[in-house]
Amino acid sequence: NAGVTQTPKFRVLKTGQSMTLLCAQDMNHEYMYWYRQDPGMGLRLIHYSVGEGTTAKGEVPDGYNVSRLKKQNFLLGLESAAPSQTSVYFCATSPPVYGYTFGSGTRLTVV
Amino acid sequence: AQTVTQSQPEMSVQEAETVTLSCTYDTSENNYYLFWYKQPPSRQMILVIRQEAYKQQNATENRFSVNFQKAAKSFSLKISDSQLGDTAMYFCAFYQGGSEKLVFGKGTKLTVNP
Repeated sequence: NAGVTQTPKFRVLKTGQSMTLLCAQDMNHEYMYWYRQDPGMGLRLIHYSVGEGTTAKGEVPDGYNVSRLKKQNFLLGLESAAPSQTSVYFCATSPPVYGYTFGSGTRLTVV
Repeated sequence: AQTVTQSQPEMSVQEAETVTLSCTYDTSENNYYLFWYKQPPSRQMILVIRQEAYKQQNATENRFSVNFQKAAKSFSLKISDSQLGDTAMYFCAFYQGGSEKLVFGKGTKLTVNP
């Protein structure tokens, strides 16, 4: 999606491994979000940021950490991956009043 | 806390027909916004339509329109002349003015049959 880039698009991890998902936006937005999508559960907010250097917890923050060192980047880290973290992860940005612009998602499988 | 409910986990419709997806929400405030997102099999989340609560007129975007019933806290999406490319998950979302984030429903999976 134009303006929001997620990397990687796919990843398989072994239980206990760590990884970082990167979200980059060129829209100069303050707000950035990380969601996970699971069948029947909709989109659940993991963490979000309202500006460079700030982060806040969402609905399901356990097992994840985030950093927003630069305005355009929002990183999501898994320190010790678990099978329960198998999911599709979406990054989003925009002032929420206008609705989000989403990245294309990352499909993560933890085996 | 605001909640968004999509009561139809799955729906199907024949090509060229009209289908309506339901969404209800819960809030005690007056300043809010509502959205419908489409997620086709490609996984990309696409903003379909946006409604401002203070506007009486229902939002429309080509074949997509909403029926916004503020008193009933209902925000349904009508898709006219359904096409095969409308097959997707559809998410309803709510934004409370002054809040920092959207609240999403669990989604409705729509299948358009030829």
